[in-house]
Amino acid sequence: NAGVMQNPRHLVRRRGQEARLRCSPMKGHSHVYWYRQLPEEGLKFMVYLQKENIIDESGMPKERFSAEFPKEGPSILRIQQVVRGDSAAYFCASSRDRAPPSEQYFGPGTRLTVT
Amino acid sequence: DAKTTQPNSMESNEEEPVHLPCNHSTISGTDYIHWYRQLPSQGPEYVIHGLTSNVNNRMASLAIAEDRKSSTLILHRATLRDAAVYYCILRGLDNYGQNFVFGPGTRLSVLP
Repeated sequence: NAGVMQNPRHLVRRRGQEARLRCSPMKGHSHVYWYRQLPEEGLKFMVYLQKENIIDESGMPKERFSAEFPKEGPSILRIQQVVRGDSAAYFCASSRDRAPPSEQYFGPGTRLTVT
Repeated sequence: DAKTTQPNSMESNEEEPVHLPCNHSTISGTDYIHWYRQLPSQGPEYVIHGLTSNVNNRMASLAIAEDRKSSTLILHRATLRDAAVYYCILRGLDNYGQNFVFGPGTRLSVLP
């Protein structure tokens, strides 16, 4: 059973470009979470999605960031007009259920570097 | 979710047991105690979770105090591969978003 897959693993963008990060959840999982980890900091929740729905985006910056989880295909985290402060590791997690204690399984992350 | 308190760092010798403490004095009755770990340059990895009773799995054991205000993650024989940041997280039924709130965790160093 393949784990959570994220691609690309490393992404370099110049300031002002767009970054698209992809996450394929584990088989049978319909809940996806995105987290961001800035250098030398802890993981911070960004957004929680179910198929075709954003359930909680309380951790998403108000501008330039968006996320989707279409009926078919991976979840996408999109960052428009990237700035140096967006450089971080972005982790996706998935779970089978919503209610506790359902475990979340994390992908290897996408390391975004903005030059 | 209620707050947890963990030591910033701990050291252990290889092949010895490790006890990682976590205080959660404001835990509610419906909060589950989860432990995750993050190895260098990797995503967090699920370790174990429990509610009231002690739990064992192939990775670790979780000992929960009778009043549930603290818990201890036990690695029975530390290996070099266990060097990681360990996160103790509470997650309850009142968390609408069902996301995990990660604190700074405990950085475990394992000495050969």
